Amino acid sequence: AQSVTQLGSHVSVSEGALVLLRCNYSSSVPPYLFWYVQYPNQGLQLLLKYTTGATLVKGINGFEAEFKKSETSFHLTKPSAHMSDAAEYFCAVRTLQGAQKLVFGQGTRLTINP
Amino acid sequence: DADVTQTPRNRITKTGKRIMLECSQTKGHDRMYWYRQDPGLGLQLIYYSFDVKDINKGEISDGYSVSRQAQAKFSLSLESAIPNQTALYFCATRSSVGELFFGEGSRLTVL
Repeated sequence: AQSVTQLGSHVSVSEGALVLLRCNYSSSVPPYLFWYVQYPNQGLQLLLKYTTGATLVKGINGFEAEFKKSETSFHLTKPSAHMSDAAEYFCAVRTLQGAQKLVFGQGTRLTINP
Repeated sequence: DADVTQTPRNRITKTGKRIMLECSQTKGHDRMYWYRQDPGLGLQLIYYSFDVKDINKGEISDGYSVSRQAQAKFSLSLESAIPNQTALYFCATRSSVGELFFGEGSRLTVL
């Protein structure tokens, strides 16, 4: 069964600094990978996804993530943090077999310091 | 209007009461999901439905039931609510590539 591990339940960076949120997955077959963001009192919305093709994917709000099969990772980055990036971020994986359910990591809360 | 609409957005109830959370969607997706969110645990799948006649249990279905009344409607029921069912509940639909579209959530408090 696939699983997702997000390293660090809380990450704090200064405004303008690099944002790096880590995600590792376990899956016996190549997965589809997703990053979602949840702003306070809102549902989750898709930031970006990897399905096939280019391993570096760009999403909304300047975020990007790179699928590294050898490392089973899909880390999320943004070169320069903005105050508006403060939110909770979820990594998720879906395999192409079986029930094709989406499995979420436990989430990382990102805080931006002025 | 939101593509995925949940009602109610907030509900406070007492132990033993029956609660229904409703979800409707305008995405035209066949697949719909109910998730529960607890702090530090991410999202856990309660039930999912591939179409009106296909309903499946997720990771934490005990104490919950669902009804898929139509392609656009998927409701979640707690027959006899208990305090550890206090959580934020999300309904979602799924596109063909697996992207989920979430409602804004229903916050349930069981006293």
